[in-house]
Amino acid sequence: EAGVAQSPRYKIIEKRQSVAFWCNPISGHATLYWYQQILGQGPKLLIQFQNNGVVDDSQLPKDRFSAERLKGVDSTLKIQPAKLEDSAVYLCASSWERRTEAFFGQGTRLTVV
Amino acid sequence: AQTVTQSQPEMSVQEAETVTLSCTYDTSESDYYLFWYKQPPSRQMILVIRQEAYKQQNATENRFSVNFQKAAKSFSLKISDSQLGDAAMYFCAYRSHQGGSEKLVFGKGMKLTVNP
Repeated sequence: EAGVAQSPRYKIIEKRQSVAFWCNPISGHATLYWYQQILGQGPKLLIQFQNNGVVDDSQLPKDRFSAERLKGVDSTLKIQPAKLEDSAVYLCASSWERRTEAFFGQGTRLTVV
Repeated sequence: AQTVTQSQPEMSVQEAETVTLSCTYDTSESDYYLFWYKQPPSRQMILVIRQEAYKQQNATENRFSVNFQKAAKSFSLKISDSQLGDAAMYFCAYRSHQGGSEKLVFGKGMKLTVNP
């Protein structure tokens, strides 16, 4: 069974530029999560989708971050414009259904200079 | 809001020895899950072990076991017969089983070094 796929693995951008991350969950998984992991901290949930609807986006900085899940499968997370404090690893996870085990991808390491 | 605290930022253990990682949490809920995740340099979070709060029996997965003290809100992970491949960041996490919030709340993590 293929795992959660994320791309790119690394990205370096200048502040005020925009960036997008892509996630392909495990086939058949209805629930998809985006987490932000700042260096030295544990991951923090940014947004949770159930199919293509948003369940929880309470910690998503909506003035600069946006996310969508096309047709309830792939998802993209965008930052526009980026700030220095957005430097982090962005982890995507998926689960079969709500309240079932979440499987994580390898993340995208973003550096904003 | 729920919080998870891992007070030891780093630990080391000799290969084949036993090590215990500590975690405390704060919640007013009675029904929830607790997890230990391992994060190697590849950055992928890997589930090590899970404990359901309503179960009194401590969870065990091969060399990994937990000591779940619900009244004390403590959830420690014991790794027996430590192997070089156990070296990684370890995160304790909480997930509510009530209401609509299903997000994992993570601690800050602990770096485990295994010495040959």
